[in-house]
Amino acid sequence: EAQVTQNPRYLITVTGKKLTVTCSQNMNHEYMSWYRQDPGLGLRQIYYSMNVEVTDKGDVPEGYKVSRKEKRNFPLILESPSPNQTSLYFCASSLSPYGTDTQYFGPGTRLTVL
Amino acid sequence: AQKVTQAQTEISVVEKEDVTLDCVYETRDTTYYLFWYKQPPSGELVFLIRRNSFDEQNEISGRYSWNFQKSTSSFNFTITASQVVDSAVYFCALSEEPSGGSYIPTFGRGTSLIVHP
Repeated sequence: EAQVTQNPRYLITVTGKKLTVTCSQNMNHEYMSWYRQDPGLGLRQIYYSMNVEVTDKGDVPEGYKVSRKEKRNFPLILESPSPNQTSLYFCASSLSPYGTDTQYFGPGTRLTVL
Repeated sequence: AQKVTQAQTEISVVEKEDVTLDCVYETRDTTYYLFWYKQPPSGELVFLIRRNSFDEQNEISGRYSWNFQKSTSSFNFTITASQVVDSAVYFCALSEEPSGGSYIPTFGRGTSLIVHP
């Protein structure tokens, strides 16, 4: 079954405690991306990756890091989380950012930073 | 700069009614991509369609159809014979052709569709 998995689904943490949200896809997709969703601000892209070892900043990259060492995994790293990073996070993947192929989303990670 | 406007914040219909969700976009690029997504009350995001700017043909998928009109910079989404399961927030998004390697979509604020039985 084609899927994007994210872990954890829910996380409550404290300011400054490093955390990683994992994202993995089983479709051999080249393009992966991270989004955050906030009330009043909508959906915004954090980072994206066109392929292994190729990553680039999205709209709101400050405070986040990513890596793409393998095609299937695209973890989101918060080195020193702050309360303004409390949000709902989605990982997504597709064959490419253009074309008409389907984009798949993970189930979301609800992060609360105290 | 790219911009997406979904002027309808919330739409309420009764089951079996047809409903159209509006999406108006702004871009200076000639090559761009338009998207629609669905977010049901359970919270997940579901991709519905991606269309590039060179393909103005309307798309139909079951009860869903999309009308892309460059002349009015619109990419409207119609649900025919709506059902309760269509209740969700629907997002329209735009991504311009990457320049300098950037590929960053802009999302509309979403339209909440409520379908009453």
